[in-house]
Amino acid sequence: DVKVTQSSRYLVKRTGEKVFLECVQDMDHENMFWYRQDPGLGLRLIYFSYDVKMKEKGDIPEGYSVSREKKERFSLILESASTNQTSMYLCASSRGQASYGYTFGSGTRLTVV
Amino acid sequence: RKEVEQDPGPFNVPEGATVAFNCTYSNSASQSFFWYRQDCRKEPKLLMSVYSSGNEDGRFTAQLNRASQYISLLIRDSKLSDSATYLCVVKRGQGGKLIFGQGTELSVKP
Repeated sequence: DVKVTQSSRYLVKRTGEKVFLECVQDMDHENMFWYRQDPGLGLRLIYFSYDVKMKEKGDIPEGYSVSREKKERFSLILESASTNQTSMYLCASSRGQASYGYTFGSGTRLTVV
Repeated sequence: RKEVEQDPGPFNVPEGATVAFNCTYSNSASQSFFWYRQDCRKEPKLLMSVYSSGNEDGRFTAQLNRASQYISLLIRDSKLSDSATYLCVVKRGQGGKLIFGQGTELSVKP
């Protein structure tokens, strides 16, 4: 089975801190994605990457950046955490073809205080 | 208007009931279609892909109507373990961005 591992299940950070969320997949998938999920808003795409060193903005990239230096690792960076970034963050990966679904990590629940 | 819209929930049904979820999508460039299931405080997991010819997996049947841009999921003989949120998902673009509906919550009662 494909495994997508997120480094932390729960995280509490202070406003203004720089926060790193790490995601690693073990099936050589080309595509990786970061979503956040909020009640009433569903899953919203923050950033995605189709290959190493490639990144594309999703629907809500403001306040975030990403890094993909290796194929298996996709990091989400909150440059200066704010309380409105308190959310569940979900990483996912998939093969290159459009017909495949995603495999998600178990999520990181981030609270910014 | 949201790109993927689903029936508002929650659906509360007795065990053994048949329940149907509907979903519409607005972007005709959408290439692939899925239903995901998300249990409380867990990540979404792929339930099934949806094909134009319709497809079935045990008690679950999914249908796609590209002309109407409409997707459905039918669950027969509901079990308590079917209680979850069901997410309608479409995929488009290079590599495939997944666009999620807000989800419909299903609660199956004894």
